[in-house]
Amino acid sequence: DAKTTQPTSMDCAEGRAANLPCNHSTISGNEYVYWYRQIHSQGPQYIIHGLKNNETNEMASLIITEDRKSSTLILPHATLRDTAVYYCIVRVPANTGNQFYFGTGTSLTVIP
Amino acid sequence: NAGVTQTPKFQVLKTGQSMTLQCAQDMNHNSMYWYRQDPGMGLRLIYYSASEGTTDKGEVPNGYNVSRLNKREFSLRLESAAPSQTSVYFCASNLDRFYNEQFFGPGTRLTVL
Repeated sequence: DAKTTQPTSMDCAEGRAANLPCNHSTISGNEYVYWYRQIHSQGPQYIIHGLKNNETNEMASLIITEDRKSSTLILPHATLRDTAVYYCIVRVPANTGNQFYFGTGTSLTVIP
Repeated sequence: NAGVTQTPKFQVLKTGQSMTLQCAQDMNHNSMYWYRQDPGMGLRLIYYSASEGTTDKGEVPNGYNVSRLNKREFSLRLESAAPSQTSVYFCASNLDRFYNEQFFGPGTRLTVL
């Protein structure tokens, strides 16, 4: 199974860009990279996903390396409400659908 | 729309007791999921239902059973609770099993003594 490796914790100053790295060196060609976040033990919230190309939405940007072995989630202007645990997930396709394997995530603290 | 709702929010059981966790969604989603999250850990998939009438095992199915009662509801049952099942349980749903985004409920905090 493809798995991910993330730093345990990170700090970021409010208003600055938060860059959260993720390694997924065993990812297969048809496996997507997803990012979710979990704020204070609430249910996880979808952020963004991608396969090969860089992606951007209203919440964040996702940069995937050319060899697809790592990616970076970018929160362009971090706010205090972005303090959360961020999960980098590789979606594993299965015959009956997709399974998400959550790791332990990165605990991001945005500092005033 | 309420999204994904779960009941109860909190529950304390004694070892050997049984209970059912309820989950419902009002988004007309076809696929539903049950995860558990242990302290300081990520979520692990217990069971999922790709569509009404089907269920499949996830990563950690032992000790659990599920029922996809109808399109809206997906329940998780612990027949004989064990302390190792102390966890926070999250239900999720998405449009279909290949759709990208899963929507999560608020969780049920279960303690087994």
